[in-house]
Amino acid sequence: GENVGLHLPTLSVQEGDNSIINCAYSNSASDYFIWYKQESGKGPQFIIDIRSNMDKRQGQRVTVLLNKTVKHLSLQIAATQPGDSAVYFCAEKSRRTAGNKLTFGGGTRVLVKP
Amino acid sequence: NAGVTQTPKFQVLKTGQSMTLQCAQDMNHEYMSWYRQDPGMGLRLIHYSVGAGITDQGEVPNGYNVSRSTTEDFPLRLLSAAPSQTSVYFCASSIQGANEKLFFGSGTQLSVL
Repeated sequence: GENVGLHLPTLSVQEGDNSIINCAYSNSASDYFIWYKQESGKGPQFIIDIRSNMDKRQGQRVTVLLNKTVKHLSLQIAATQPGDSAVYFCAEKSRRTAGNKLTFGGGTRVLVKP
Repeated sequence: NAGVTQTPKFQVLKTGQSMTLQCAQDMNHEYMSWYRQDPGMGLRLIHYSVGAGITDQGEVPNGYNVSRSTTEDFPLRLLSAAPSQTSVYFCASSIQGANEKLFFGSGTQLSVL
């Protein structure tokens, strides 16, 4: 959406460098975590997910790390490219939540400098 | 597959007007939901449905109605639009299950004057 981006924390990264996007959560019952990427004017797009029985999961150029002790989630993007410029959202779900309802964080904007 | 299709993409309403935001998916997903997105607040769940004929409230349901007469369609109705409903609205769907990733539509940007 065009009004996404106001008041968002922003991460500026040089093209080719690695990016790390952080997310804190408060619900100790959360057992499923997911990262979405949202480009301007588009809907969120799934990147990678992780369950609470894992502390690391890797995808193509992306890695998600989960630290349940401090309730912290991070997304690492290797060799950041201009196409990675977007807003990134973490989302979580509790085992006590019925259905497939996700709770989203506020988002982080990533700007890739050429 | 078209995925999740939302219409319209943009809409301007006057306070008090009513309208329906359309959402359709062609992936035979049981679960469908509506979120609104406001600056700095992420996405908040309005209503959701776990199957045809079943709907339930999310985090911010007031001022919105939904129905699910078919698996494919999940329209969101604004009964009497208010400026506080100015937002970007996203429809999402997934396979029904405990931990299934949501597929999102491209959004409807709504302004209420």
